[in-house]
Amino acid sequence: DTGVSQNPRHKITKRGQNVTFRCDPISEHNRLYWYRQTLGQGPEFLTYFQNEAQLEKSRLLSDRFSAERPKGSFSTLEIQRTEQGDSAMYLCASSVSLMIEGYGYTFGSGTRLTVV
Amino acid sequence: AQKVTQAQTEISVVEKEDVTLDCVYETRDTTYYLFWYKQPPSGELVFLIRRNSFDEQNEISGRYSWNFQKSTSSFNFTITASQVVDSAVYFCALSEAGTGGFKTIFGAGTRLFVKA
Repeated sequence: DTGVSQNPRHKITKRGQNVTFRCDPISEHNRLYWYRQTLGQGPEFLTYFQNEAQLEKSRLLSDRFSAERPKGSFSTLEIQRTEQGDSAMYLCASSVSLMIEGYGYTFGSGTRLTVV
Repeated sequence: AQKVTQAQTEISVVEKEDVTLDCVYETRDTTYYLFWYKQPPSGELVFLIRRNSFDEQNEISGRYSWNFQKSTSSFNFTITASQVVDSAVYFCALSEAGTGGFKTIFGAGTRLFVKA
């Protein structure tokens, strides 16, 4: 397994456009997470999937954001009507249950979004 | 509410010096997990270690060691004989078992510069 894969690596879009990012987690991991990281800050939780079910969404995730994980495999994060404040690194991570000793998240390389 | 504070924004050391990165956390849960992640210049967050709240045993892994003290709500990270390759941003993180461990809160990070 090659780890968590995210596409695209970079995305530049004009304000008001829609964008979609994709994350392919480690195949054995049933948990998938989206985080957002702005310059000089730690990652902020956006949403969480266990298999195909979206179990939690942060208040940071406005109505313009939607995430899916069909069939419990890859996930997509869509941002509609992008705003300049959406510019950030969007990180995907996957894991097994944290109830299992010794495990943490495996992160992808992220998608850097720039809204101009 | 859970919170992670990394008071040191940046630390600069000369190669072979020892350095300690501080982490203080807040949580109302009695069972929780603490993590350290490394984010090198390439950008991908790398899982380093996880400790459970019920296990205060300190851990050593090569040049890395971690000191977990519940009495002071701290989980500090020491790099012994630092190397240039240790230059990165290091994040301390907390996840509460009461939420199923899915929502991990990250500190703002400490940027470590190791000069040759």
